[in-house]
Amino acid sequence: EIVLTQSPGNLSLSPGERATLSCRASQSVSSSYLAWYQQRPGQAPRLLIYGASTRATGIPDRFSGSGSGTDFTLTISRLEPEDFAVYYCQSYGSSPLYSFGQGTKLEIK
Amino acid sequence: QVQLVQSGAEVKKPGASVKVSCKASGYTFTNYYMNWVRQAPGQGPEWMGVNNPSLGDTMYAQKFQGRVTFTTDTSTSTVYMELSSLRSEDTAIYYCAREGARGVIMADFWGQGTLVTVSS
Repeated sequence: EIVLTQSPGNLSLSPGERATLSCRASQSVSSSYLAWYQQRPGQAPRLLIYGASTRATGIPDRFSGSGSGTDFTLTISRLEPEDFAVYYCQSYGSSPLYSFGQGTKLEIK
Repeated sequence: QVQLVQSGAEVKKPGASVKVSCKASGYTFTNYYMNWVRQAPGQGPEWMGVNNPSLGDTMYAQKFQGRVTFTTDTSTSTVYMELSSLRSEDTAIYYCAREGARGVIMADFWGQGTLVTVSS
């Protein structure tokens, strides 16, 4: 089973600042199989990034993903008020087929 | 536009079963697998399994093997998730989510979620 560990657990920043979120896998993950989701309160998760670095349809270019092997990063270049949410990384493996990290909560400072 | 509309909230007693529906529209139903994901209060999402609406084959997470069943009604473009022997730890929001591409995109569209509360 692939275990994904996200850091930090909570991140307090101001609008306009840059956010850097980390996701570390317990074993190497193909870049093709690493995704990021955003979840706002009361809503279902929304796909942001797939293939480690490809933005999903309609996702603004202030969101970017990078990384390989066991270390992946989601960067939000300039925070907008609507970006304050919880972010999850997710990978594809064998058992279970899909795993999620525990999340990073991005809060307004 | 793609839409996944789930059935309403449920309250169940321990030991009972629950069946959640997910009606798809806006795309060719049998061309995409459907994942089921649950999220307990304050926790991250947890993958439960995947259903192939075209052939009806399924894959369940080991944790839910023997307790969960996915079924499909292609005439109404609806998938169902039934979870039996409910316990308090099964209290969660249950989501259906369309798989965009195996491994690469687990979920490009999500249902609105169905809250299942297990309480005596």
